[in-house]
Amino acid sequence: DSGVTQTPKHLITATGQRVTLRCSPRSGDLSVYWYQQSLDQGLQFLIQYYNGEERAKGNILERFSAQQFPDLHSELNLSSLELGDSALYFCASSEQGVQETQYFGPGTRLLVL
Amino acid sequence: TQLLEQSPQFLSIQEGENLTVYCNSSSVFSSLQWYRQEPGEGPVLLVTVVTGGEVKKLKRLTFQFGDARKDSSLHITAAQPGDTGLYLCAGVSGNTPLVFGKGTRLSVIA
Repeated sequence: DSGVTQTPKHLITATGQRVTLRCSPRSGDLSVYWYQQSLDQGLQFLIQYYNGEERAKGNILERFSAQQFPDLHSELNLSSLELGDSALYFCASSEQGVQETQYFGPGTRLLVL
Repeated sequence: TQLLEQSPQFLSIQEGENLTVYCNSSSVFSSLQWYRQEPGEGPVLLVTVVTGGEVKKLKRLTFQFGDARKDSSLHITAAQPGDTGLYLCAGVSGNTPLVFGKGTRLSVIA
């Protein structure tokens, strides 16, 4: 158990819909990272938050957004969903920044039909 | 754009065999990490190599960082079914986000 929790574990929805994925980091960790994992693209970095502020942005679509709340939990919002958004979405956390060990949650498996 | 190429993509071997997987890039990284991911779970960090030429051992797993810090290898001796999983390498460069390879999917058959 990494100490990072993600909900829900599975999500099935239809194209055009909007979903919210939730992540609670390890106790004391200030950074939260979101990744998308698909079979053809591998693990892709989406976005990082540090203590409530956006720190780094990766290959995140404009239809996707995220935020980190004062209690340090984070949410990833995916809207106008397309079939190609079906993937595993992982959250990871670290004490400070990318130089430190990242601990990954168990992921949310999203299926868009 | 920094890229990490992992090979082979898939590997299926018998229990007791040895194997090596590779992680290559044209970019220099300050350090390189290896993760193992099992079905239904997130990646778990196995090791970080920092110095060019560095070799680290974790039981039957041996990790090496290339002299130029552009590539790395993972060697498993006497593989066991418990070694089955997806092995990912990730490059660290300053404060930029981790760059992951697509992984090597290892299956060890008893």
